[in-house]
Amino acid sequence: RKEVEQDPGPFNVPEGATVAFNCTYSNSASQSFFWYRQDCRKEPKLLMSVYSSGNEDGRFTAQLNRASQYISLLIRDSKLSDSATYLCVVKMPGSARQLTFGSGTQLTVLP
Amino acid sequence: EAGVTQFPSHSVIEKGQTVTLRCDPISGHDNLYWYRRVMGKEIKFLLHFVKESKQDESGMPNNRFLAERTGGTYSTLKVQPAELEDSGVYFCASSQSGGGFNEQFFGPGTRLTVL
Repeated sequence: RKEVEQDPGPFNVPEGATVAFNCTYSNSASQSFFWYRQDCRKEPKLLMSVYSSGNEDGRFTAQLNRASQYISLLIRDSKLSDSATYLCVVKMPGSARQLTFGSGTQLTVLP
Repeated sequence: EAGVTQFPSHSVIEKGQTVTLRCDPISGHDNLYWYRRVMGKEIKFLLHFVKESKQDESGMPNNRFLAERTGGTYSTLKVQPAELEDSGVYFCASSQSGGGFNEQFFGPGTRLTVL
């Protein structure tokens, strides 16, 4: 079983749509959770951290459910510029700082 | 402020040859990481430097891979001899030291193709 699992998509949605991505992680002791965004042939960039209380940044809302080991990302009012691959990323327990990545979910927002 | 830079951006070599990738972290970042993404797979951790010391090299696939960070500034990742399965994108990332969450900033990657 993969440590971080995501639906690879692709998700093709019209502009203005709301889209949700889900992710599960296998290690219940995982400490920190993130969504990264990666544009085609570019580097991953941090989109937002994910907290147990949930957090929102403009059109983006991230949620964490520790009991279910489940992370979500909701994008409202999708823009063409949101087209990218969204990576679910987990920091494992312990002192290690390494990040563990899901395989990514590809989103295309259509005009 | 300059971000993480990597050189070369692309490298095409033949099986059995040697390739050296370079990463320059953001100035002042003590932590430097190497990751790679092979075709169809997720990005995977290779190793982590704190200054010039290897903190964690648990992700290094085998002894054909050698990473160095002499002087605690830039880092190199050498693959010798390269095999076909080494093809992929090699990312470098850096972060500040200190407690709490320190964002890892990624470089643009080196796309390695082994023929």
